[in-house]
Amino acid sequence: QKEVEQDPGPLSVPEGAIVSLNCTYSNSAFQYFMWYRQYSRKGPELLMYTYSSGNKEDGRFTAQVDKSSKYISLFIRDSQPSDSATYLCAMSATETSGSRLTFGEGTQLTVNP
Amino acid sequence: EPEVTQTPSHQVTQMGQEVILRCVPISNHLYFYWYRQILGQKVEFLVSFYNNEISEKSEIFDDQFSVERPDGSNFTLKIRSTKLEDSAMYFCASSDPNGRTTDTQYFGPGTRLTVL
Repeated sequence: QKEVEQDPGPLSVPEGAIVSLNCTYSNSAFQYFMWYRQYSRKGPELLMYTYSSGNKEDGRFTAQVDKSSKYISLFIRDSQPSDSATYLCAMSATETSGSRLTFGEGTQLTVNP
Repeated sequence: EPEVTQTPSHQVTQMGQEVILRCVPISNHLYFYWYRQILGQKVEFLVSFYNNEISEKSEIFDDQFSVERPDGSNFTLKIRSTKLEDSAMYFCASSDPNGRTTDTQYFGPGTRLTVL
């Protein structure tokens, strides 16, 4: 079983739609959860960082963590064509600097005008 | 806004040759990382580096790989004898242990390595 599983998509939605992106994980040592956005031919860019179960909101983005189910989500409200990118979930077992991030495969999102 | 930079953007090499990938981390960051992403696959951790020592390395980071901070600004990844399967995008990242979010890793744009 993979440590982190993420549906690679592709996912195509109309502008203004609510987008739901999800990852599941098997390693209960993971305590810190991140969502990165990656545009074509660019490096991953951090969007959200959470460490506890529950919701965290930042503008149009909401990150949700359910540690009991080992399931995390990213919701994008009022999606825009500029949100078209690959979204990567990433996890870490510790908050200590120098720790590895374990990534999901990424979900490719296209928001159509 | 400060950013991680990487050179070259694309490197083509022959199998068996040595390559050095270069990174300039964000200037006040103290932790440095290398990740790779084989085409169509997930981003994978290779190594983390702090205070001139390797902090953690993955199973991928074998004796063919080495890292170095040759001066106060650069961070390099050397592959001694490249194999076809080393073809990938290599990302450098850095983080600040005194940052608001401790382990926020900031990634560079990547170097695409093609081994022929």
